[in-house]
Amino acid sequence: AQSVTQLGSHVSVSEGALVLLRCNYSSSVPPYLFWYVQYPNQGLQLLLKYTSAATLVKGINGFEAEFKKSETSFHLTKPSAHMSDAAEYFCAVSGGPQGGSEKLVFGKGMKLTVNP
Amino acid sequence: TAGITQAPTSQILAAGRSMTLRCTQDMRHNAMYWYRQDLGLGLRLIHYSNTAGTTGKGEVPDGYSVSRANTDDFPLTLASAVPSQTSVYFCASRGGYYNEQFFGPGTRLTVL
Repeated sequence: AQSVTQLGSHVSVSEGALVLLRCNYSSSVPPYLFWYVQYPNQGLQLLLKYTSAATLVKGINGFEAEFKKSETSFHLTKPSAHMSDAAEYFCAVSGGPQGGSEKLVFGKGMKLTVNP
Repeated sequence: TAGITQAPTSQILAAGRSMTLRCTQDMRHNAMYWYRQDLGLGLRLIHYSNTAGTTGKGEVPDGYSVSRANTDDFPLTLASAVPSQTSVYFCASRGGYYNEQFFGPGTRLTVL
C-alpha cells in the first residue's frame, strides 16, 4: 500500500524566493513518485517524475525534486519563484518497477501563492 | 492532439436527477480513471478501468457507476444526484513507459 503526506495546505513566498514544497511517502514496494501542478480552473499537469533512475529529477518550469529513500521524501524545489508559479501542487505515489503502478495515490495538495 | 476531453465543462443539477459525465481520450491508453476533487481532500479515486470491458471500484464509488464499452470512452453516471456529490470531476488515462496519468480539464458539478 502507498500513501503520501503533504504537510500544510498553503505556502506563500515572495517573487524571486526559494520554493520548497514538502512530500513524504509511504510505500511497501519501491515507488514511482510524481509531482503534478494544477493552475486555476484547469486539470492536473505532470511536473516531474521519479522512476528509480537518477535521484535528482528535473521537471518543467525550472522545478526539481530529490528522492531521498532514507527520509522517505520527495520534496519539490525551485530556486526563484515567479508569479506564474502560483498554483496548487500535488505529490503522488504509485508502485514502481516491481509492480503496482496501476493506481496513483495523491496527497491533499499544497496551494502556492507568490507575492510581488 | 486533444488528449482527454470532458463534457460538460460545468453543470448545475437538481438533487434526485441523473447525469452522465463524458470522457474521451485519443491516446489509445488502456487504463482510465475518474477522480473527484474536493477542497482539503485532494483527489479521490471513484472508479477505474484497466482495459475496455472491465471496471473496478476506487476509494469513493458509492452513488456512481461507469462503463467501458471501448478504449476511448469512459462515462461516469450519477443515477440520483445528492448535494454531497457537488465536486470537480477529473477523468484521467494511464500511459507512457512509467505509467504516468494524464488528466482532462475537469467537470464542475453542483447538486442543489
